Amino acid sequence: SQQGEEDPQALSIQEGENATMNCSYKTSINNLQWYRQNSGRGLVHLILIRSNEREKHSGRLRVTLDTSKKSSSLLITASRAADTASYFCATGPGNTPLVFGKGTRLSVIA
Amino acid sequence: DVKVTQSSRYLVKRTGEKVFLECVQDMDHENMFWYRQDPGLGLRLIYFSYDVKMKEKGDIPEGYSVSREKKERFSLILESASTNQTSMYLCASRSTYNSPLHFGNGTRLTVT
Repeated sequence: SQQGEEDPQALSIQEGENATMNCSYKTSINNLQWYRQNSGRGLVHLILIRSNEREKHSGRLRVTLDTSKKSSSLLITASRAADTASYFCATGPGNTPLVFGKGTRLSVIA
Repeated sequence: DVKVTQSSRYLVKRTGEKVFLECVQDMDHENMFWYRQDPGLGLRLIYFSYDVKMKEKGDIPEGYSVSREKKERFSLILESASTNQTSMYLCASRSTYNSPLHFGNGTRLTVT
């Protein structure tokens, strides 16, 4: 069952530009999480935003959450080549396992 | 830092073999999960466990079983490997539902 859907599927930008990825979900949530995956590796947690929060920052990352629209966005500012990876949103209602979207593949060109 | 260790990075097995994928976490986490990841399909949940000796089916449990005899270890078993089980397998753990998942580096399994 697909809970989160990321958009776009792929994104290619120049180093120094900002990258924005969006996530839409279907059911009520306790929190929404964003993860990053480098090619061939496991996922790494980036940021968790709770359902009563609207915005959260962590370094060059900014996450927003709009529960009325069931959507979230991840902004990476001043992108670097090292940010090249796949980015996933994940969520789920209550004490249930996280359900992941199919991810956005970000390519940052030096 | 939480460490989730999967026993193998790469594994090649023959059709019909019984395959064990091991996962160990070192942070006393209650919850553990097995996902598989395939191109175009994203991550799909196979099985999960919220406590020792407890297991629940995920979205795609057919052809798999799990074992959680100790809190830190969650094993995925392919009873009789088939070519359609060729995939990347990811183990993850967390302390509560409001905390992040910590993933292992994954096991890329090829069944020939």
